[in-house]
Amino acid sequence: DGGITQSPKYLFRKEGQNVTLSCEQNLNHDAMYWYRQDPGQGLRLIYYSQIVNDFQKGDIAEGYSVSREKKESFPLTVTSAQKNPTAFYLCASKSAYEQYFGPGTRLTVT
Amino acid sequence: AQSVTQLDSQVPVFEEAPVELRCNYSSSVSVYLFWYVQYPNQGLQLLLKYLSGSTLVKGINGFEAEFNKSQTSFHLRKPSVHISDTAEYFCAVGPYNTDKLIFGTGTRLQVFP
Repeated sequence: DGGITQSPKYLFRKEGQNVTLSCEQNLNHDAMYWYRQDPGQGLRLIYYSQIVNDFQKGDIAEGYSVSREKKESFPLTVTSAQKNPTAFYLCASKSAYEQYFGPGTRLTVT
Repeated sequence: AQSVTQLDSQVPVFEEAPVELRCNYSSSVSVYLFWYVQYPNQGLQLLLKYLSGSTLVKGINGFEAEFNKSQTSFHLRKPSVHISDTAEYFCAVGPYNTDKLIFGTGTRLQVFP
């Protein structure tokens, strides 16, 4: 079955800790994306990557970092510099026109 | 720059009634148009898309949308909703000159028995 997997589904961390969210796809897509979703704000783009070993900042990249060492994988690290990290994080990959989304990771930082 | 406006944050409706979720966009370049649905604590699923051609687009679960270029709108409709249609719906535009999507803030459709 082709698709996007994100793990874990729920993640809890203490303030001041870095945390890495996993995103894997087996759709053979070149482009991958990370979004943050907060109630009433829709989806906001954090980072995206159009090809292996290359990525660009989105609209809210501060406090986040990514890597793209393999086509299938696009992990997101939420650093301690992110002031308000509690949110629902969605990963996506893109075919010719449309984006396909993973199930999301809900991160809670206390 | 592009922007997407979903005019209603919440739409309550009774089961079997028709529904329209409104979406307007602004863009200086041509765009592709999308509607996605999100069930609680899940990712987004594509309902339908407009790329070119016929302005009336049919999607999954009985939904359809009409692209109106002069009004820069892409409203989503369903003639008869079910309880299972209760979800959040997002309109998005994809400019021709970029790989990015710009999303609206979403409309929560609540279907009551």
